[in-house]
Amino acid sequence: EDQVTQSPEALRLQEGESSSLNCSYTVSGLRGLFWYRQDPGKGPEFLFTLYSAGEEKEKERLKATLTKKESFLHITAPKPEDSATYLCAVQAQDSGYALNFGKGTSLLVTP
Amino acid sequence: GAVVSQHPSRVICKSGTSVKIECRSLDFQATTMFWYRQFPKQSLMLMATSNEGSKATYEQGVEKDKFLINHASLTLSTLTVTSAHPEDSSFYICSARPEFYEQYFGPGTRLTVT
Repeated sequence: EDQVTQSPEALRLQEGESSSLNCSYTVSGLRGLFWYRQDPGKGPEFLFTLYSAGEEKEKERLKATLTKKESFLHITAPKPEDSATYLCAVQAQDSGYALNFGKGTSLLVTP
Repeated sequence: GAVVSQHPSRVICKSGTSVKIECRSLDFQATTMFWYRQFPKQSLMLMATSNEGSKATYEQGVEKDKFLINHASLTLSTLTVTSAHPEDSSFYICSARPEFYEQYFGPGTRLTVT
């Protein structure tokens, strides 16, 4: 059975303090790994899709990387507006395009 | 681009009544649409997958007769919660897949059953 585990559950950073969020996964044939940002009471906002080990993608202060077992979301010099829950999801090749989500990492960036 | 809307954003209904939630892809045609539910402090759980013109595929444990899904066009899917009960209170979120593998999510609908 496909599994997605995110750590830590919660992370508190000071503004400017860089860190990484982890997403470990087991899946029978990975089609893609997705990162989303979710603000309270809102739907997830698409950030990245990674398809193969070694792939990296960047967007502003965020950088996502992928290995055969895990993905990292690196946050460089975060700002308070980066506070949100970050969700990782995997899409298996035989999933019919459905996403299997982890429980998320709740990030709080304080001034 | 890739904007998905949901209506209503919030709804309160009485136990035993039915509620319809609409999901629209505004600037693309969605090959597939998905419905998720999310309980407080928990992640998204897939309820069903629907393709335009076809019957929805429901996840194990999701009652087909309770959660009716209609995908009438490439830009519209609806979820009807029939005979709603307080335990159906949740945050319902739809997503749409334009092509390839990405999914774009709507803003969600908060359902409260009293």
